[in-house]
Amino acid sequence: AQTVTQSQPEMSVQEAETVTLSCTYDTSESDYYLFWYKQPPSRQMILVIRQEAYKQQNATENRFSVNFQKAAKSFSLKISDSQLGDAAMYFCAFGTGANSKLTFGKGITLSVRP
Amino acid sequence: DAGVIQSPRHEVTEMGQEVTLRCKPISGHDYLFWYRQTMMRGLELLIYFNNNVPIDDSGMPEDRFSAKMPNASFSTLKIQPSEPRDSAVYFCASSSRGVWTEAFFGQGTRLTVV
Repeated sequence: AQTVTQSQPEMSVQEAETVTLSCTYDTSESDYYLFWYKQPPSRQMILVIRQEAYKQQNATENRFSVNFQKAAKSFSLKISDSQLGDAAMYFCAFGTGANSKLTFGKGITLSVRP
Repeated sequence: DAGVIQSPRHEVTEMGQEVTLRCKPISGHDYLFWYRQTMMRGLELLIYFNNNVPIDDSGMPEDRFSAKMPNASFSTLKIQPSEPRDSAVYFCASSSRGVWTEAFFGQGTRLTVV
């Protein structure tokens, strides 16, 4: 069974600064995918970024980038130039092609200070 | 496309009553997922369908929960009888190719059982 661990329940960042959210996972699969989802107060789950395990290059999406360390089974999200709209709950998720379902971490609440 | 549509947005019911949650996935998506979100347990996958067929229902907590997908554009999650511990936010999500593509979430149904 796969597990996803987000050990930090809360983090805070100053507007325009950079913050890194941590995530580790455990799996015996070799073909899998990792995701970061954002859940703002509106409750809508929104995909932020995804990473295919077979790709060595870290994924980036504008101000969002990941640090994927496959050997260490670590998948952290870096948010640069933080904005007030980035305040939300962030979930790390793991998926494998073997069963097509996502396993989510417990999430981390990010607050952005003006 | 309007995205994944869930109804109702909020539901308050008395213990012992039957509750039916509804979901309309994005047209063309072959996968449909039902998740439950609580403070204690985070996001849990309850069941998922591929081409209207239930593939994995191992997350369904007990026999009081049932899910159906009679056609590609509609799914229901039913709880009968409901209990206070079922209070949670229930999300429906759909994707075109399982974990190989993004899962799009609905806005969720907040269920309160009193």
